[in-house]
Amino acid sequence: TQLLEQSPQFLSIQEGENLTVYCNSSSVFSSLQWYRQEPGEGPVLLVTVVTGGEVKKLKRLTFQFGDARKDSSLHITAAQTGDTGLYLCAGDSNSGYALNFGKGTSLLVTP
Amino acid sequence: DAMVIQNPRYQVTQFGKPVTLSCSQTLNHNVMYWYQQKSSQAPKLLFHYYDKDFNNEADTPDNFQSRRPNTSFCFLDIRSPGLGDAAMYLCATSVRQGRGEKLFFGSGTQLSVL
Repeated sequence: TQLLEQSPQFLSIQEGENLTVYCNSSSVFSSLQWYRQEPGEGPVLLVTVVTGGEVKKLKRLTFQFGDARKDSSLHITAAQTGDTGLYLCAGDSNSGYALNFGKGTSLLVTP
Repeated sequence: DAMVIQNPRYQVTQFGKPVTLSCSQTLNHNVMYWYQQKSSQAPKLLFHYYDKDFNNEADTPDNFQSRRPNTSFCFLDIRSPGLGDAAMYLCATSVRQGRGEKLFFGSGTQLSVL
C-alpha cells in the first residue's frame, strides 16, 4: 500500500488567516486528488493534480504537486468559516484501480 | 439531481446481528466502491465493482460481503458485526476505473454496533 501522510492532523485558526497543509509520501503518484469532507457527509473532490510542479488555483485555495510527484500542498488564503472541514489527499493505489487516502487534516476556522 | 444515495444515514445493530447497507446511484457510472472510515482515520477501501466484476481488497475481512444486482445499486453486507466494525461506511462511484478518476461519494452510513 502506498501510504500518504498528511500534516498537521488538526489545525484551528481564526477567520482571515492563511494556512498550508501537506500531503507526503515516499511513493511516486501519477496523480493526486484533494477532497474536502464536512461532518456527516461524504468527501467532495476539490482538485486533481497530474503534472510534477503543477499549481492549480480554486478561488482562495492553491494546490501544488511536487516536482517528483511524491508530495502535494494545499494553501488557503484568508480562511473563512466555510472552509471548516476534513481535507483529504488521495493517490492511486498500486493496482491503479482505486484511491488510497491519507488520514486528513481537520481544519477549524473560527470567527 | 444525479447523485449517490446511501440508506440509511444512521444504522444501529447488535453484536453479531447481520446488517445490510444500501447504495444507489443515478449517475450511470460503471464503478462502485465501498470505503470504511473510522474516526480520525483515512477512508479504507473494502472492495469495488467494475460493472459486474468484483474486486476485493486483500485485507478486507471475510465478514464483509457485497452485492451489485444492477448498475444502480450496490449493497454492503456485514455478516456478524463486531464492535470494531462501528464506522462510517462510504459508497462512491466513478465513470471508469483507473488513474486519476474522480470519485463521487454518498453521504455515508454511520454504523453503530451495540
